[in-house]
Amino acid sequence: GAGVSQTPSNKVTEKGKYVELRCDPISGHTALYWYRQSLGQGPEFLIYFQGTGAADDSGLPNDRFFAVRPEGSVSTLKIQRTERGDSAVYLCASSASGTANEQFFGPGTRLTVL
Amino acid sequence: KQEVTQIPAALSVPEGENLVLNCSFTDSAIYNLQWFRQDPGKGLTSLLLIQSSQREQTSGRLNASLDKSSGRSTLYIAASQPGDSATYLCAGGRAGNQFYFGTGTSLTVIP
Repeated sequence: GAGVSQTPSNKVTEKGKYVELRCDPISGHTALYWYRQSLGQGPEFLIYFQGTGAADDSGLPNDRFFAVRPEGSVSTLKIQRTERGDSAVYLCASSASGTANEQFFGPGTRLTVL
Repeated sequence: KQEVTQIPAALSVPEGENLVLNCSFTDSAIYNLQWFRQDPGKGLTSLLLIQSSQREQTSGRLNASLDKSSGRSTLYIAASQPGDSATYLCAGGRAGNQFYFGTGTSLTVIP
Protein backbone atom coordinates (compact mmCIF):
# COMPACT_ATOMS: atom_id res chain seq x y z
CA GLY A 1 0.00 0.00 0.00
CA ALA A 2 0.90 3.66 -0.13
CA GLY A 3 1.53 3.94 3.58
CA VAL A 4 1.26 2.12 6.88
CA SER A 5 -2.33 1.48 7.87
CA GLN A 6 -3.75 0.47 11.23
CA THR A 7 -7.13 -0.84 12.22
CA PRO A 8 -9.24 -0.05 14.06
CA SER A 9 -8.56 3.65 14.48
CA ASN A 10 -10.36 3.58 17.83
CA LYS A 11 -11.12 0.72 20.16
CA VAL A 12 -13.10 0.95 23.37
CA THR A 13 -13.19 -2.14 25.54
CA GLU A 14 -13.95 -3.18 29.08
CA LYS A 15 -11.40 -4.15 31.66
CA GLY A 16 -10.54 -7.82 31.39
CA LYS A 17 -11.41 -8.18 27.70
CA TYR A 18 -9.12 -9.33 24.89
CA VAL A 19 -8.22 -7.01 22.01
CA GLU A 20 -6.37 -7.30 18.72
CA LEU A 21 -4.81 -4.39 16.89
CA ARG A 22 -3.78 -4.75 13.27
CA CYS A 23 -0.95 -3.16 11.29
CA ASP A 24 -0.45 -3.26 7.51
CA PRO A 25 3.09 -2.08 6.72
CA ILE A 26 4.32 -0.53 3.52
CA SER A 27 4.59 -3.22 0.87
CA GLY A 28 8.07 -4.75 0.78
CA HIS A 29 9.17 -3.42 4.17
CA THR A 30 10.77 -6.24 6.14
CA ALA A 31 11.03 -4.42 9.48
CA LEU A 32 7.96 -3.64 11.58
CA TYR A 33 7.74 -1.92 14.96
CA TRP A 34 5.04 -1.49 17.57
CA TYR A 35 5.08 1.47 19.96
CA ARG A 36 2.76 2.73 22.65
CA GLN A 37 2.24 6.44 23.23
CA SER A 38 0.63 7.93 26.32
CA LEU A 39 -0.63 11.50 26.42
CA GLY A 40 2.21 14.02 26.45
CA GLN A 41 4.89 11.37 26.03
CA GLY A 42 7.02 10.15 23.18
CA PRO A 43 6.34 6.71 21.71
CA GLU A 44 7.60 3.83 23.84
CA PHE A 45 9.04 0.82 22.06
CA LEU A 46 7.19 -2.48 22.41
CA ILE A 47 8.46 -4.95 19.81
CA TYR A 48 10.43 -5.10 16.57
CA PHE A 49 10.00 -7.70 13.81
CA GLN A 50 12.50 -8.50 11.09
CA GLY A 51 10.52 -10.61 8.65
CA THR A 52 8.36 -13.09 10.53
CA GLY A 53 10.42 -13.22 13.69
CA ALA A 54 10.47 -10.91 16.68
CA ALA A 55 14.02 -9.57 16.70
CA ASP A 56 13.48 -7.63 19.92
CA ASP A 57 10.46 -7.94 22.22
CA SER A 58 12.09 -6.39 25.26
CA GLY A 59 9.60 -3.52 25.34
CA LEU A 60 6.51 -5.65 25.91
CA PRO A 61 5.40 -4.68 29.44
CA ASN A 62 4.23 -8.14 30.55
CA ASP A 63 2.97 -11.46 29.28
CA ARG A 64 -0.49 -10.09 28.57
CA PHE A 65 0.99 -8.51 25.47
CA PHE A 66 1.86 -10.57 22.43
CA ALA A 67 2.45 -9.79 18.75
CA VAL A 68 2.67 -11.90 15.63
CA ARG A 69 3.64 -11.43 12.02
CA PRO A 70 3.09 -14.88 10.51
CA GLU A 71 3.77 -14.08 6.86
CA GLY A 72 6.23 -11.24 7.27
CA SER A 73 3.73 -8.56 6.31
CA VAL A 74 0.63 -7.82 8.42
CA SER A 75 1.16 -7.81 12.16
CA THR A 76 -1.31 -8.17 15.02
CA LEU A 77 -0.73 -6.90 18.53
CA LYS A 78 -2.76 -8.89 21.03
CA ILE A 79 -3.57 -7.79 24.56
CA GLN A 80 -5.18 -10.20 27.00
CA ARG A 81 -7.09 -9.28 30.16
CA THR A 82 -6.90 -5.58 29.39
CA GLU A 83 -6.36 -3.12 32.22
CA ARG A 84 -7.18 0.58 32.43
CA GLY A 85 -3.45 1.32 32.34
CA ASP A 86 -3.27 -0.17 28.85
CA SER A 87 -5.20 2.81 27.51
CA ALA A 88 -2.94 4.61 25.03
CA VAL A 89 -2.35 5.13 21.33
CA TYR A 90 -0.67 2.12 19.77
CA LEU A 91 1.52 3.05 16.84
CA CYS A 92 2.97 0.82 14.17
CA ALA A 93 5.93 1.67 11.93
CA SER A 94 7.76 -0.08 9.14
CA SER A 95 11.11 0.38 7.45
CA ALA A 96 12.80 -1.08 4.41
CA SER A 97 15.21 -3.43 6.12
CA GLY A 98 15.76 -2.59 9.73
CA THR A 99 16.90 0.08 12.10
CA ALA A 100 19.35 1.61 9.64
CA ASN A 101 16.47 2.81 7.55
CA GLU A 102 13.83 5.49 7.83
CA GLN A 103 10.74 4.53 9.80
CA PHE A 104 7.28 5.30 8.47
CA PHE A 105 4.40 5.42 10.92
CA GLY A 106 0.75 4.57 10.70
CA PRO A 107 -2.00 6.79 12.16
CA GLY A 108 -2.28 4.68 15.30
CA THR A 109 -5.05 2.91 17.18
CA ARG A 110 -6.45 4.70 20.20
CA LEU A 111 -7.27 2.07 22.82
CA THR A 112 -9.52 2.98 25.72
CA VAL A 113 -10.08 0.46 28.49
CA LEU A 114 -13.06 1.31 30.68
CA LYS B 1 19.36 2.07 27.95
CA GLN B 2 19.31 5.05 25.65
CA GLU B 3 17.92 8.22 27.23
CA VAL B 4 16.68 10.91 24.86
CA THR B 5 15.90 14.42 26.07
CA GLN B 6 14.33 17.25 24.12
CA ILE B 7 14.59 20.88 25.09
CA PRO B 8 12.55 23.00 25.23
CA ALA B 9 9.36 21.11 26.00
CA ALA B 10 7.33 23.92 24.45
CA LEU B 11 8.17 26.86 22.25
CA SER B 12 6.11 29.74 20.89
CA VAL B 13 7.48 32.03 18.19
CA PRO B 14 6.11 34.66 15.81
CA GLU B 15 5.79 33.76 12.16
CA GLY B 16 8.97 34.23 10.14
CA GLU B 17 11.42 33.50 12.92
CA ASN B 18 14.20 30.95 12.59
CA LEU B 19 14.31 28.44 15.44
CA VAL B 20 16.30 25.52 16.79
CA LEU B 21 15.00 22.43 18.55
CA ASN B 22 17.41 20.35 20.60
CA CYS B 23 17.72 16.64 21.16
CA SER B 24 20.32 15.00 23.39
CA PHE B 25 21.03 11.31 23.85
CA THR B 26 23.18 9.29 26.20
CA ASP B 27 24.37 6.45 23.97
CA SER B 28 27.16 7.54 21.61
CA ALA B 29 26.84 4.21 19.77
CA ILE B 30 23.73 5.56 18.13
CA TYR B 31 23.35 4.28 14.58
CA ASN B 32 21.03 6.90 13.25
CA LEU B 33 18.74 9.68 14.38
CA GLN B 34 15.36 10.55 12.94
CA TRP B 35 13.23 13.66 13.39
CA PHE B 36 9.46 13.46 13.23
CA ARG B 37 6.54 15.81 13.38
CA GLN B 38 3.26 14.86 15.07
CA ASP B 39 0.05 16.79 14.68
CA PRO B 40 -2.62 16.49 17.41
CA GLY B 41 -4.36 13.12 17.29
CA LYS B 42 -2.25 11.93 14.37
CA GLY B 43 0.61 9.56 13.75
CA LEU B 44 4.22 10.58 13.17
CA THR B 45 5.48 12.07 9.92
CA SER B 46 9.15 11.53 9.13
CA LEU B 47 11.07 14.73 8.49
CA LEU B 48 14.75 13.83 8.31
CA LEU B 49 16.95 10.79 8.92
CA ILE B 50 20.64 11.22 9.73
CA GLN B 51 22.86 8.16 9.52
CA SER B 52 25.73 7.88 12.01
CA SER B 53 28.26 8.55 9.25
CA GLN B 54 26.55 11.82 8.36
CA ARG B 55 26.69 15.18 10.07
CA GLU B 56 23.55 16.77 8.71
CA GLN B 57 20.56 16.48 6.42
CA THR B 58 18.48 19.18 4.76
CA SER B 59 14.97 19.21 3.38
CA GLY B 60 13.47 22.51 2.30
CA ARG B 61 13.39 24.86 5.29
CA LEU B 62 14.55 22.10 7.65
CA ASN B 63 18.11 21.23 8.56
CA ALA B 64 19.08 18.58 11.08
CA SER B 65 22.55 18.01 12.44
CA LEU B 66 24.07 15.16 14.42
CA ASP B 67 27.09 15.28 16.72
CA LYS B 68 27.64 11.82 18.16
CA SER B 69 30.61 12.84 20.28
CA SER B 70 28.56 15.32 22.26
CA GLY B 71 25.35 13.28 22.08
CA ARG B 72 23.35 16.04 20.44
CA SER B 73 21.15 16.67 17.45
CA THR B 74 19.47 19.88 16.44
CA LEU B 75 16.59 20.61 14.10
CA TYR B 76 16.73 24.05 12.53
CA ILE B 77 13.55 25.49 11.01
CA ALA B 78 13.99 28.55 8.84
CA ALA B 79 11.34 31.21 8.30
CA SER B 80 8.74 29.48 10.46
CA GLN B 81 5.11 29.37 9.34
CA PRO B 82 1.87 28.74 11.26
CA GLY B 83 1.63 25.39 9.45
CA ASP B 84 4.82 24.32 11.24
CA SER B 85 2.90 24.23 14.53
CA ALA B 86 3.10 20.66 15.81
CA THR B 87 5.05 18.48 18.22
CA TYR B 88 8.54 17.57 17.03
CA LEU B 89 10.07 14.30 18.18
CA CYS B 90 13.55 12.87 17.77
CA ALA B 91 14.40 9.18 17.94
CA GLY B 92 17.75 7.45 18.07
CA GLY B 93 18.58 3.82 17.56
CA ARG B 94 21.29 1.26 17.26
CA ALA B 95 21.62 -1.11 14.33
CA GLY B 96 19.42 -4.13 14.85
CA ASN B 97 17.93 -2.66 17.96
CA GLN B 98 15.03 -0.59 19.13
CA PHE B 99 14.54 3.15 18.75
CA TYR B 100 14.24 5.50 21.69
CA PHE B 101 12.11 8.62 21.48
CA GLY B 102 12.30 11.90 23.29
CA THR B 103 9.17 13.44 24.82
CA GLY B 104 8.99 16.07 22.10
CA THR B 105 8.93 19.83 21.70
CA SER B 106 5.53 21.42 21.18
CA LEU B 107 5.94 24.28 18.70
CA THR B 108 3.43 27.06 18.16
CA VAL B 109 4.04 29.57 15.38
CA ILE B 110 1.93 32.68 15.87
CA PRO B 111 0.63 34.40 12.72
